[in-house]
Amino acid sequence: AQKVTQAQTEISVVEKEDVTLDCVYETRDTTYYLFWYKQPPSGELVFLIRRNSFDEQNEISGRYSWNFQKSTSSFNFTITASQVVDSAVYFCALSEEDAGGTSYGKLTFGQGTILTVHP
Amino acid sequence: DADVTQTPRNRITKTGKRIMLECSQTKGHDRMYWYRQDPGLGLRLIYYSFDVKDINKGEISDGYSVSRQAQAKFSLSLESAIPNQTALYFCATSGEELAGGYNEQFFGPGTRLTVL
Repeated sequence: AQKVTQAQTEISVVEKEDVTLDCVYETRDTTYYLFWYKQPPSGELVFLIRRNSFDEQNEISGRYSWNFQKSTSSFNFTITASQVVDSAVYFCALSEEDAGGTSYGKLTFGQGTILTVHP
Repeated sequence: DADVTQTPRNRITKTGKRIMLECSQTKGHDRMYWYRQDPGLGLRLIYYSFDVKDINKGEISDGYSVSRQAQAKFSLSLESAIPNQTALYFCATSGEELAGGYNEQFFGPGTRLTVL
């Protein structure tokens, strides 16, 4: 069975600090998809990134970057120069491909990391 | 207007009552999902549906039932609510897979349910 672990329950930083959120996953499949979602205090879930298991390139989007390492089954998320608006709960999630080669789309979520950025 | 809507947004009920949470989407997606969120546990899948005639149990389906009334509507019912079903409930949708990839899920705003 697939599993996602976000070991950091809560992280507190001061504005402009860099912060990395860890995500470790377990899967028996060779084809799978990894996601990050943000849940601000207002409660909605905001999609941040999707990565498939065959694409190990790191990705950067503004102050956000993601480091995918299959060798360690990790998909870590870094926020550079954090801002107060980054305060939220961040979820890492995994979706496996079924035996027929079509992803069911069911997401397995990690427990979430609560990030608080202080001014 | 939001693409995925949930009603009600907040509900307080008593143990033993029947509750229905509704989800509607205007994205034209075939796949719909119900998750619940509990503090420290992330989101867990309750039920999912790939089309109107396809309903599947998720990780934590006990105590819940669903109905896919149309492509755009997917309802979650608690036949006899109990206090440990107090949680934040999310509906989500996803569309056909991109060539060689998989579409992300789009989430509704959530329904906060409290069972006393």
